[in-house]
Amino acid sequence: DAGITQSPRHKVTETGTPVTLRCHQTENHRYMYWYRQDPGHGLRLIHYSYGVKDTDKGEVSDGYSVSRSKTEDFLLTLESATSSQTSVYFCAISRTGEKETQYFGPGTRLLVL
Amino acid sequence: GQQVMQIPQYQHVQEGEDFTTYCNSSTTLSNIQWYKQRPGGHPVFLIQLVKSGEVKKQKRLTFQFGEAKKNSSLHITATQTTDVGTYFCAGGAGSYQLTFGKGTKLSVIP
Repeated sequence: DAGITQSPRHKVTETGTPVTLRCHQTENHRYMYWYRQDPGHGLRLIHYSYGVKDTDKGEVSDGYSVSRSKTEDFLLTLESATSSQTSVYFCAISRTGEKETQYFGPGTRLLVL
Repeated sequence: GQQVMQIPQYQHVQEGEDFTTYCNSSTTLSNIQWYKQRPGGHPVFLIQLVKSGEVKKQKRLTFQFGEAKKNSSLHITATQTTDVGTYFCAGGAGSYQLTFGKGTKLSVIP
């Protein structure tokens, strides 16, 4: 257990509404990641952070924004949700000293109607 | 960009049979990692391989990293129902990002 929680765990929303997912870690690790997982696509990186207020885009960043104002929290925002953003979203961290090994949170299942 | 291909996509085996999944990268890797995701769960780190030609074992699981550091395999001997899940490889390039394969979903028939 890497001390990672995600909220909410499940969410149903309507097309066009904004949605924010939260990832919280208790171990003060520098690197945090947001992935989405879809059948046939595996895990795809959306955004990642390498410190407070330091973020960068991943492979599938269009339609998503992130913020990290505290070490422990990494927020993922869908500015205007679309049905193509229906997915399972995983947050992950890399532990200091364990370069590139990632530990995942429990995930958030998002359904956009 | 870096791509990691993983085959097969699905594998159905009788309990007690062996299972192997293969991973190939388009570029040379600094390390390869393997993760397991149980149905309805989240990916869980299994192991990291760093050296060319490295072989590591975890009970019935054997992990190999190719000599050119571009391919890897995971072999499970005598599968059990507890092995059910999706196995992902992930290639590291020396930064803090990983490129994941699409995974191999293993079903074990009792």
